[in-house]
Order: sequence, then structure tokens, then C-alpha cells
Amino acid sequence: AQSVTQLDSHVSVSEGTPVLLRCNYSSSYSPSLFWYVQHPNKGLQLLLKYTSAATLVKGINGFEAEFKKSETSFHLTKPSAHMSDAAEYFCVVPRDNFNKFYFGSGTKLNVKP
Amino acid sequence: NAGVMQNPRHLVRRRGQEARLRCSPMKGHSHVYWYRQLPEEGLKFMVYLQKENIIDESGMPKERFSAEFPKEGPSILRIQQVVRGDSAAYFCASSLGTGLRMNTEAFFGQGTRLTVV
Repeated sequence: AQSVTQLDSHVSVSEGTPVLLRCNYSSSYSPSLFWYVQHPNKGLQLLLKYTSAATLVKGINGFEAEFKKSETSFHLTKPSAHMSDAAEYFCVVPRDNFNKFYFGSGTKLNVKP
Repeated sequence: NAGVMQNPRHLVRRRGQEARLRCSPMKGHSHVYWYRQLPEEGLKFMVYLQKENIIDESGMPKERFSAEFPKEGPSILRIQQVVRGDSAAYFCASSLGTGLRMNTEAFFGQGTRLTVV
């Protein structure tokens, strides 16, 4: 079954510096992949999704992710972190023909002033 | 178009009581999912429902938990005889459809935070 692994449970960056949140997937075929963000005590918001079109996907709030089949990765990046980016980020893969979503364990992003 | 609405946002129950969590999907969405997020953990799938049907409940605990999505009204996640270990955030999501061809995404509510005392 498809799954995702988020390699870092916590990432800390300074405001204005680049962000890299890592996600590797496991699948026998090219899956669809999503990144969701969860701000404290809030619901989840879709940042971006990959659905086998362009491998470089642009999302909201300046985030983007690149699907790399050779590395089975779908890392989330942003050129310049903002304080409002502090949140938890989840890499997600659908399973069973989109009947359910498998969430990675999450990466908490801390942004220092 | 309001998003996925969950209520209550916070729920406190004593051990042994029942908890009822409600979820109104986005307008036009007929697919509802429930997820549980335990403290310091990611979200875990519980159940997937369509109107009047449970499609996949492979993530539901075998006892005390049930879910429904009636023809009219919200989806309900019901936890009977709650225990401290049920304390968690419960998220509901809805989607327009499923299947790769639908190329769909799930929209999440803000969750219900259940505390069992």
C-alpha cells in the first residue's frame, strides 16, 4: 500500500531563510501526493497537490514541491520563511482509489525572528 | 459556500459518558471521512461514509465507536462509554467524489477536541 515518510519531526529556520520539509513516498506506481498545513488549534488546509501533471507544483503562500520519481521524494520548499508559516505540515497520499488518505507523521516548523 | 462545519469545537465528557461529534460536509459533497489525531501524532483514518452507507470502517475501533451519515442532516461520530484514551482531536473531511479520475481533494473541518476527564 502507498505510504509516506516525513523525515524530520521538527524543523527550525530563521525568518527570511529557505524552508525545506522532506517527504518520501512508497508506491508501486506514481501516486498523487498532497501537502497539508495545520496551524495551532486549527483544521487542515491544502497547500498543494501533485496529480501526475507537472512535476513542480506551486501552492499557496509561496510554497512549492517537486515530485522526483528517481528519488521517490516530494519535498516541500519555500524560498523565504515568514513567521506566519510556523505550523505543522503533513505529507499525504491517497489510498484505495482516494477512499482514504494516509498521513505522514508531520513536521513542525518553527520560524525564529 | 461554507466549508466543512464541525461542532462542537470543544467537548468535555466524564468517563463513561457518550460523545457525539457532528460534521456537515461542504455543499454538494456526498463523501465524508473521519480522522483522529492523538496528541503529538499525525492523523489516522477512521471511517469513510457516503450518504446512508459506511464504505470503509477499517480504522474504527471495534467497540464503542460508530458513525453514520444519514440521508438528511450531518454525519455523526458517536463514542459510547468514553475513556481517557479517547481524548483527541477528531477531524471530519468531505470530498466531491473519489477515484483517480475525479482528481479530487478532501476539505477538512476545524475539528472537535474531545477531552475525557
